[in-house]
Amino acid sequence: SAVISQKPSRDICQRGTSLTIQCQVDSQVTMMFWYRQQPGQSLTLIATANQGSEATYESGFVIDKFPISRPNLTFSTLTVSNMSPEDSSIYLCSAHGTGTMGEAFFGQGTRLTVV
Amino acid sequence: AQRVTQPEKLLSVFKGAPVELKCNYSYSGSPELFWYVQYSRQRLQLLLRHISRESIKGFTADLNKGETSFHLKKPFAQEEDSAMYYCALGNTGGFKTIFGAGTRLFVKA
Repeated sequence: SAVISQKPSRDICQRGTSLTIQCQVDSQVTMMFWYRQQPGQSLTLIATANQGSEATYESGFVIDKFPISRPNLTFSTLTVSNMSPEDSSIYLCSAHGTGTMGEAFFGQGTRLTVV
Repeated sequence: AQRVTQPEKLLSVFKGAPVELKCNYSYSGSPELFWYVQYSRQRLQLLLRHISRESIKGFTADLNKGETSFHLKKPFAQEEDSAMYYCALGNTGGFKTIFGAGTRLFVKA
């Protein structure tokens, strides 16, 4: 299994500012994932964070808006840049543990409110 | 295209009644399907996976490749089953997990 710690758990930010969300895994994982979960809706994959290479972004998400770092096999950050109220959402970090038959593990989420 | 469809956003049943949460998928390869659950104020967590053919908390799900379905069932719902349930297609290209829209199950006393 993998235990994922994510912080901050919540924040209220002014529009136009940026917020960096941190994700720490208690074991080494090859890939980490960042999702957005808007109220009452499903999880939308933002990007896959690969150690040692650029993150791979899904359609509709761009690096300038959501820069991602992956400095090692246990840590990643997601920055939400130049925020607007439309960015208000829950952001989730996820990873697959080794030998877990494809199971995904999740952080507790970061609830972001942009005012 | 890879897709997971959960047609019901909300399902409300009485305690002790059977419950079935529907899930259909679209995937050209050999699917790996999961059900995840999110209880109030808790993180998203795995409930069960099709390859294990297990029963967790009384829930079962059978993969039907002919109907491309992976419905979640429980014969007698309990109040503590109230939660958000997500069907997911795992280990697709790049090891991504694709989630359905989710079904909120509400079990009434």
